[in-house]
Amino acid sequence: QQPVQSPQAVILREGEDAVINCSSSKALYSVHWYRQKHGEAPVFLMILLKGGEQKGHDKISASFNEKKQQSSLYLTASQLSYSGTYFCGLAGGTSYGKLTFGQGTILTVHP
Amino acid sequence: GAVVSQHPSWVICKSGTSVKIECRSLDFQATTMFWYRQFPKQSLMLMATSNEGSKATYEQGVEKDKFLINHASLTLSTLTVTSAHPEDSSFYICSARTRLAGTYNEQFFGPGTRLTVL
Repeated sequence: QQPVQSPQAVILREGEDAVINCSSSKALYSVHWYRQKHGEAPVFLMILLKGGEQKGHDKISASFNEKKQQSSLYLTASQLSYSGTYFCGLAGGTSYGKLTFGQGTILTVHP
Repeated sequence: GAVVSQHPSWVICKSGTSVKIECRSLDFQATTMFWYRQFPKQSLMLMATSNEGSKATYEQGVEKDKFLINHASLTLSTLTVTSAHPEDSSFYICSARTRLAGTYNEQFFGPGTRLTVL
């Protein structure tokens, strides 16, 4: 079952913050966040495995709620390089770590 | 570390021909590789899961006789699109699952292959 991402698109000016949400109707094994720029492959951002977990790198962080059904990606003090489409990929604990991706959130950062 | 390459980057072929796409993990062993297809402005749709030395597992709706997958070694998986038609034109991306320390089922993606069938 495909996770639901919101919003579908967001436009920011440099320095502004954004939150992207990803939710599922079922408890998950893990959630993976990726960013994809036009014409390129997705780039791994981070993975969350435990309910209640929060982690971050530089000014991008993510959380995984206690029930492991929702994750949020936080982008603070956005930079032009943050522009792209953000996907969450959910693993439901099936064999081989198969991921089901959300429909994506298009983030555009303007100067 | 954790670099995945794909070859070719793009290919244009005539309808009815077959095209082979290679996916390689350059600096790690990938027991599992995944093949995705992405149409413009859409999400990544998993086509199949490929495990070294065994038959690939295809997602519902993906024709296994049309999209042949071979995972001959821990660093190489190939996808062959047989008798390609214009509707097969898409961006094909592979990913490899690493078992480096601390990254249990993290996936790293190759750069993708743009297939155009005329």
